[in-house]
This record gives sequence, structure tokens and C-alpha cells, in this order.
Amino acid sequence: DTAVSQTPKYLVTQMGNDKSIKCEQNLGHDTMYWYKQDSKKFLKIMFSYNNKELIINETVPNRFSPKSPDKAHLNLHINSLELGDSAVYFCASSQDVTGGQPQHFGDGTRLSIL
Amino acid sequence: KNEVEQSPQNLTAQEGEFITINCSYSVGISALHWLQQHPGGGIVSLFMLSSGKKKHGRLIATINIQEKHSSLHITASHPRDSAVYICAVRPTGNQFYFGTGTSLTVIP
Repeated sequence: DTAVSQTPKYLVTQMGNDKSIKCEQNLGHDTMYWYKQDSKKFLKIMFSYNNKELIINETVPNRFSPKSPDKAHLNLHINSLELGDSAVYFCASSQDVTGGQPQHFGDGTRLSIL
Repeated sequence: KNEVEQSPQNLTAQEGEFITINCSYSVGISALHWLQQHPGGGIVSLFMLSSGKKKHGRLIATINIQEKHSSLHITASHPRDSAVYICAVRPTGNQFYFGTGTSLTVIP
């Protein structure tokens, strides 16, 4: 069984469109995260959710909005996509919010903006 | 300047060699993570450390909190160890900082 699953795996779309990436974890973890990995392979945290509360909100554009219908899901909505949004987006989860537990990552969603 | 610095950036080794990857950080931390990113892109958490040393199979991770330094060692390296190894730190606040990764290639 896949612990953290993201869909879609690949997403190709045009500038200006609105898109969503879904993430689900079946580990019973309390905290979920979204990361962006740029073309230089540098990872940066975007958001994390703990029990449906946003606890980190990095200085990302407000075109990005995380939505968590329940603690097993953290979806990422992106409005008015721009060329610079092209990257690989990773979802992850961990048992708690302290950072003292390992994170489990999804396989990533490769977003390409035309 | 990045809060987390890794060295080397790239490393090529012969199969069987002992490998060391270093991570230095500039902030107080509650935990340090070592991650492995496979050529296919997937990321796996290898270790989470807050002190001392951990071992899992051929992998050993150490951390020196006073010196703000951690090392990841691979004994008897194998071509399947070829991957990017990423150091990540969790400061005392709600944040994660990542190193730029060390790309390891192990040649048969």
C-alpha cells in the first residue's frame, strides 16, 4: 500500500490556468507538508498542516493555497499559473509537528507550464 | 547564504569504497534529517537525528550538536547507492531548511 500518494504524477498546462494537486496519506499522521523542488533540485518547504491548522505559511505567492478536508488529505491549489511555477512538488507527512519524526514523501508531481 | 551547507556537491566512488557526506548548519536545531532522492525522483527519509549516531544497514549518520555538523557514511558502497543525498534541519521554530544535496555516483 502506498503510504503517501500524489496525483497527478505529471501535469502540463498553460500559463494562466488554475490547477490542483492532490495528496493523501494512509499512515495516520497528524502533519502533512508541501515542498517545491526547483530546476536546481533545491527543496523548499511551502506549507504544512497539523490537524487541519496551517502552521507554516512560507512566503509563497497567494496564488498557492493548501486545502485540507481531513487530516489524511492536503491538496494544493494553484491559480493563474506562471512560468516560474514549473517545478516538482512533493507532498510529505510525519507523525507530529515537532520535526522529531521521519517524513514520508510522495513520489512528486512534475508541473510544467507552457 | 544557505542555512545548510553540504559537501561535496558531487562525488564519484568505486564500488566498495567508504563514503562520507558532510552537512554543516548555522542555526539551532531540534532535529536533522538525511534524505535520499533516487534518480527517478522519489525521496526517502534515511535518518532523523537529534544527537549521537544512528546506523541502518550500511548507512551510518552522526551529529555533533556543539559543532553544528553531521555526517552520513556509506560502507561498502554499491551502484544502487547512487542518488542525491539531502541534509535537512528543523530549527526550534516551525521551519525546515534544506541543503543543496550531494550527488553520489558509485561505479561498478
